[in-house]
Amino acid sequence: DAKTTQPPSMDCAEGRAANLPCNHSTISGNEYVYWYRQIHSQGPQYIIHGLKNNETNEMASLIITEDRKSSTLILPHATLRDTAVYYCIVRGLNAGNNRKLIWGLGTSLAVNP
Amino acid sequence: DGGITQSPKYLFRKEGQNVTLSCEQNLNHDAMYWYRQDPGQGLRLIYYSQIVNDFQKGDIAEGYSVSREKKESFPLTVTSAQKNPTAFYLCASSSLLAGEETQYFGPGTRLLVL
Repeated sequence: DAKTTQPPSMDCAEGRAANLPCNHSTISGNEYVYWYRQIHSQGPQYIIHGLKNNETNEMASLIITEDRKSSTLILPHATLRDTAVYYCIVRGLNAGNNRKLIWGLGTSLAVNP
Repeated sequence: DGGITQSPKYLFRKEGQNVTLSCEQNLNHDAMYWYRQDPGQGLRLIYYSQIVNDFQKGDIAEGYSVSREKKESFPLTVTSAQKNPTAFYLCASSSLLAGEETQYFGPGTRLLVL
């Protein structure tokens, strides 16, 4: 499974867009990019995932570069409740038993009033 | 409400004692997972199961045991052989259908050793 690299921390002003980068330069063709977030002392919350096209849902947008070596999670209008650790994970869907998610340290996003 | 429940929220263990953490899901998911999280760290996989009566070791299975007698339930036992059990334990479940394999997580159980 490919590894990901994220900045350890970021700040964002409330109401502004939060753009969280992720580098996954060793990603292979059948590996998806997943984003989760974890608010302190809670279970991780699924946000969005994608393969090669950009994706959008009610929570966020995911922009994946054409070479798929990096991606950006966009929270369009950050609120104080978006303060959390954001994890970018690359995960394959190969046949077999390996469906584990490999978690790094994530990006700690602080949304400031 | 559909979802994953874990109990208890906090659990205290004495030295040499086995404890069992509960995980139940009503999402009709085939796969279930147990992860461990230490302070300031990402999650690490302990065990996972894709079908009733079958389960596989993850990266850090030593000192843990699981069972999968029912599709909805995947309890984790932390045995006395686990020398550093203090951690936040997270259970997840997922479908195995192609395109629907996102893992969803429960609220977690925090285990403390007295």
